[in-house]
Amino acid sequence: DVKVTQSSRYLVKRTGEKVFLECVQDMDHENMFWYRQDPGLGLRLIYFSYDVKMKEKGDIPEGYSVSREKKERFSLILESASTNQTSMYLCASRDEQGAQPQHFGDGTRLSIL
Amino acid sequence: QKEVEQDPGPLSVPEGAIVSLNCTYSNSAFQYFMWYRQYSRKGPELLMYTYSSGNKEDGRFTAQVDKSSKYISLFIRDSQPSDSATYLCAPRKDSWGKLQFGAGTQVVVTP
Repeated sequence: DVKVTQSSRYLVKRTGEKVFLECVQDMDHENMFWYRQDPGLGLRLIYFSYDVKMKEKGDIPEGYSVSREKKERFSLILESASTNQTSMYLCASRDEQGAQPQHFGDGTRLSIL
Repeated sequence: QKEVEQDPGPLSVPEGAIVSLNCTYSNSAFQYFMWYRQYSRKGPELLMYTYSSGNKEDGRFTAQVDKSSKYISLFIRDSQPSDSATYLCAPRKDSWGKLQFGAGTQVVVTP
């Protein structure tokens, strides 16, 4: 079974802080994704990485950056946290071959005060 | 207009009933259509996916795609309280596997 692990289930930070969210997958997947999930809006893609050191902006990249130095680890960085970044953050990975689906972690609920 | 529209519910049904969920989408280029189930405080998990138009069955679950009307359906037969969750439809956008998610429909199955 694919395992996608997000380092924190709950996180509380203050406005202006630099925040790091970590995600690790154990299946040697090439592709990794960061989403945020908000009520009524569903999952929205923040950033995508198709391989080590490769990244692509998603639909809502403003205020975020990412890092992928190793294949199994994909980090989401909030450069200067703001209250409108309070949300559930979900990480996913997939094998790039064919129609392989995305596999998700259990999310990090981030509150910015 | 959102690319994928899904009624948020909640949809409440008695145990044993058939649950009918649907999505509409606007992008005719979508080819793969995923259904994910998400329990409270958990990440989405893949239920099943279909390619192009047609039906696919997996146990109590049936997925249907009608590309001519851009309409996606998921049916759950003999529903159980353990089926209570949010169901997300997610067409695949490109060859990298990026997905366009609907907002999700909350389903409540009462004993």
